[in-house]
Amino acid sequence: QKEVEQDPGPLSVPEGAIVSLNCTYSNSAFQYFMWYRQYSRKGPELLMYTYSSGNKEDGRFTAQVDKSSKYISLFIRDSQPSDSATYLCAMTPQGKLVFGKGTKLTVNP
Amino acid sequence: GAVVSQHPSRVICKSGTSVKIECRSLDFQATTMFWYRQFPKQSLMLMATSNEGSKATYEQGVEKDKFLINHASLTLSTLTVTSAHPEDSSFYICSAGAKIREQFFGPGTRLTVL
Repeated sequence: QKEVEQDPGPLSVPEGAIVSLNCTYSNSAFQYFMWYRQYSRKGPELLMYTYSSGNKEDGRFTAQVDKSSKYISLFIRDSQPSDSATYLCAMTPQGKLVFGKGTKLTVNP
Repeated sequence: GAVVSQHPSRVICKSGTSVKIECRSLDFQATTMFWYRQFPKQSLMLMATSNEGSKATYEQGVEKDKFLINHASLTLSTLTVTSAHPEDSSFYICSAGAKIREQFFGPGTRLTVL
């Protein structure tokens, strides 16, 4: 079993839709949970990170962590074509990041 | 956010040659930088942790004699792929940041070995 599982998609939604992206993990030592956005042939860009269970909101993005279920989510409200990218979850026990495979999202105008 | 640059952005080389990739933190100092490799439709896989002034720490399965890392200053780390072969063709990305949870990534270097 991989440490971090993420459905690679692809996921295609119409503009304005609410998008839900998810990851599961197996290592209970993971403490910080990050979401990165990666455009094609570019390096990842940090969207947000969370530490404890619960929700964290930043504009149209909401990150959710459920440590009891080892499940994290990223919600994107009012999705825009510019949100089309690959979204990677990442986690860290200490000292290094472990990434999911990434979910490719396309928002259609 | 902070800026991390990589050079070159793309390189094509013949099998058996060596290729050097630079990673620079432009507006902050980085005692630690990370090197990743990303194959198509795959996740980022950590190759090594680059430490300024000391030896790099390599992940299991990564050949340290093949992937030479030098972190000579607080703003520059280099990855040299020695005697490159077609299976080394990949997207190489570096990251740096004050905290592991706030890493800034470079734009990546696409290596193609013929």
